[in-house]
Amino acid sequence: GQQVMQIPQYQHVQEGEDFTTYCNSSTTLSNIQWYKQRPGGHPVFLIQLVKSGEVKKQKRLTFQFGEAKKNSSLHITATQTTDVGTYFCAGPTGNQFYFGTGTSLTVIP
Amino acid sequence: NAGVTQTPKFQVLKTGQSMTLQCAQDMNHEYMSWYRQDPGMGLRLIHYSVGAGITDQGEVPNGYNVSRSTTEDFPLRLLSAAPSQTSVYFCASSYKGRGPPEAFFGQGTRLTVV
Repeated sequence: GQQVMQIPQYQHVQEGEDFTTYCNSSTTLSNIQWYKQRPGGHPVFLIQLVKSGEVKKQKRLTFQFGEAKKNSSLHITATQTTDVGTYFCAGPTGNQFYFGTGTSLTVIP
Repeated sequence: NAGVTQTPKFQVLKTGQSMTLQCAQDMNHEYMSWYRQDPGMGLRLIHYSVGAGITDQGEVPNGYNVSRSTTEDFPLRLLSAAPSQTSVYFCASSYKGRGPPEAFFGQGTRLTVV
């Protein structure tokens, strides 16, 4: 079955530092989505990438979809304490929607 | 617009007990799913449904049943609770094929089996 792995599992950064999480799928994905889950909360949709090599930006967040559509990354520039949470990538295989293992981000003020 | 409503928010069960986690959405989404979240393992798909009357198994279906008699509701049944089912459960819904792609999640149910 499909596996979606994310690295790192945990990341602690000083406020103002950059942060990147990487997502790798064992199979080619038709699209990939990114979600953020605040501590104690539920996942909230951030963005969807569809095209090979696609890059999208949301303020300080930059999302990339690999050329082979098997990997993706989320980069946050100049982290803030509001960025704290767990970031998940997710991708479909047929009617099933698989989430990655997540990267938990801690931002130290 | 309530979105996705899950009940209860917290539950403690004894081993062997059964219960139903409720999930309802008011967005007319075709696709609904149940996930469990455990530390270090992300969100794992338990069961999903692409429409009323249609359900299918995900990655970790054992010990759980679902039904989809209406578009709005997608309950998850634990047949005989086991400590290994201690987890946080999330219900999610989304459009299937048309409309915005994002999944909307309920607030989650924290289940402890003792």
